[in-house]
Amino acid sequence: GDSVTQMEGPVTLSEEAFLTINCTYTATGYPSLFWYVQYPGEGLQLLLKATKADDKGSNKGFEATYRKETTSFHLEKGSVQVSDSAVYFCALGSPYSGAGSYQLTFGKGTKLSVIP
Amino acid sequence: KAGVTQTPRYLIKTRGQQVTLSCSPISGHRSVSWYQQTPGQGLQFLFEYFSETQRNKGNFPGRFSGRQFSNSRSEMNVSTLELGDSALYLCASSWTGTVVQETQYFGPGTRLLVL
Repeated sequence: GDSVTQMEGPVTLSEEAFLTINCTYTATGYPSLFWYVQYPGEGLQLLLKATKADDKGSNKGFEATYRKETTSFHLEKGSVQVSDSAVYFCALGSPYSGAGSYQLTFGKGTKLSVIP
Repeated sequence: KAGVTQTPRYLIKTRGQQVTLSCSPISGHRSVSWYQQTPGQGLQFLFEYFSETQRNKGNFPGRFSGRQFSNSRSEMNVSTLELGDSALYLCASSWTGTVVQETQYFGPGTRLLVL
């Protein structure tokens, strides 16, 4: 079945450091890939997405490129801020065969702490 | 545009009781999905509803059930609660839930504690 593997952390960085969170996936067909962010005590917010190979999703300085050849969707940001401290989830959306709908499969999440 | 809302935000129950959680999707969204989030298992898909019909179900016991109303609002019910049901329950909505490019928008969740 579909699966997502991401580095679990926690990751602690100093402000303005470069961030990479690795995410690889296993899926049949052509899934869409997402990064969601969860701040303490809140639900999930979509950070960015890519719907086909070689697409680059970007938002708020974060970027990720859909790499079909390496089945990866690594999240990067050039200069993190204290306000980026949160848990980041990589997810894939793939059709649920026979039901006409799709579901999201999530990685375990990576907790990021950015210190001043 | 209002986001996905979930009520209540927090619940404390005891083992053996049952609980009902509510989710109101973004206006116009007809697909509602439910997820369970726990520290050990992470985020797991429970079920998805569209036009009052369950189209998709995850690997959870029959104690977990749900329904959707004609206005797309959804409820999930957990009967005979167990300690392991303590979790954050997240609801997500999307337009149709049939296009993988669609984004699912999440609510703030209901945190359930079973004592």
